[in-house]
Amino acid sequence: NAGVMQNPRHLVRRRGQEARLRCSPVKGHSHVYWYRQLPEEGLKFMVYLQKENIIDESGMPKERFSAEFPKEGPSILRIQQVVRGDSAAYFCASSPTGDRESGYTFGSGTRLTVV
Amino acid sequence: AQTVTQSQPEMSVQEAETVTLSCTYDTSESDYYLFWYKQPPSRQMILVIRQEAYKQQNATENRFSVNFQKAAKSFSLKISDSQLGDAAMYFCAYSNSGTYKYIFGTGTRLKVLA
Repeated sequence: NAGVMQNPRHLVRRRGQEARLRCSPVKGHSHVYWYRQLPEEGLKFMVYLQKENIIDESGMPKERFSAEFPKEGPSILRIQQVVRGDSAAYFCASSPTGDRESGYTFGSGTRLTVV
Repeated sequence: AQTVTQSQPEMSVQEAETVTLSCTYDTSESDYYLFWYKQPPSRQMILVIRQEAYKQQNATENRFSVNFQKAAKSFSLKISDSQLGDAAMYFCAYSNSGTYKYIFGTGTRLKVLA
């Protein structure tokens, strides 16, 4: 029973390029959450998605960032025109329902380095 | 807005000894959940223990236990019989009842000395 799978594990991008981070939730989980961890900081909420719907994107920067969770396939976090400040670890979590009582399962994150 | 504070950036403990990691939080809510997560070098976020605010009894999971002081808004983690595999970053997290967002502290790096 695979957990949350994130890929790539490490991603290096030059300033101005696009970064695409993928997250496959636990089988049967239809709720996905993205968090960002800046160096020496805790995780901060970015966005919450259900299949084909963005429920809450209040933690996501207004520009250059977007997220989707299509009917088929993984959830994608896309960062356009990356800048050095985007360098961070991006974590995905999933749950079977939309409340934390059912518990999150986190992936191992994607570490994005912008050079 | 809710906040979570971990005032110990780093802690060390001798193998087989006991260590306590501190966490305080601020909220005006009465119903919420508190969590401790472990993040080893692999980066995987592993749930160690969770506490429901309405429960007075402190949660325990094997060698891990919490001291939950609701009035003081304190939620410390005690690790007994520390093992080398306990070395990791530990994050305290808060979640309101009925919401899905976690608010994390900045973490405490635990070193276990052989």
